[in-house]
Amino acid sequence: QKEVEQNSGPLSVPEGAIASLNCTYSDRGSQSFFWYRQYSGKSPELIMSIYSNGDKEDGRFTAQLNKASQYVSLLIRDSQPSDSATYLCAVLLGNQFYFGTGTSLTVIP
Amino acid sequence: EAGVAQSPRYKIIEKRQSVAFWCNPISGHATLYWYQQILGQGPKLLIQFQNNGVVDDSQLPKDRFSAERLKGVDSTLKIQPAKLEDSAVYLCASSSYTDTQYFGPGTRLTVL
Repeated sequence: QKEVEQNSGPLSVPEGAIASLNCTYSDRGSQSFFWYRQYSGKSPELIMSIYSNGDKEDGRFTAQLNKASQYVSLLIRDSQPSDSATYLCAVLLGNQFYFGTGTSLTVIP
Repeated sequence: EAGVAQSPRYKIIEKRQSVAFWCNPISGHATLYWYQQILGQGPKLLIQFQNNGVVDDSQLPKDRFSAERLKGVDSTLKIQPAKLEDSAVYLCASSSYTDTQYFGPGTRLTVL
């Protein structure tokens, strides 16, 4: 069983819409959760981190964590073509990070 | 603040040859990670160092891969001998005690 699962996509949304990216994890002991954005041919860059249940907002990005459901999501409001990338969910369990395979997002102008 | 540095950025070798990658983490970051990212997949942890000690190397193919972090700063990852399936991007990341990782630009390895 994979530690972190994401829909690989591709997910396509029109410019200005809300993009919703989802991630589930298998181990209830996971303590920290991260969303990374990775443009094609580039390395991952951190967008958001979240540690407690609820929502965390940063500009157009909102991370949501539900530990009871073992679910973390990322909402991108007012999506822009520059948001087109692969979004990686990562979970910290103990002292080891586990990454999902990523969801490819395309924002259509 | 300077980011994580890696070199080379690209490397093409033939199978059975050896190759080495270098990483310089963000200054003051105690933890250093090496990941392998195959096209279309998420990063897979190969080895994690805390200062100059190994924390986790359970997914490192030790028959051909080796890594060291002398003096708790720079690190090198070596593959000897390389196989076709080692073609991937090798990412180095570092973190301080806040547990957020920052990635370097990666080294794209092609094994022919």
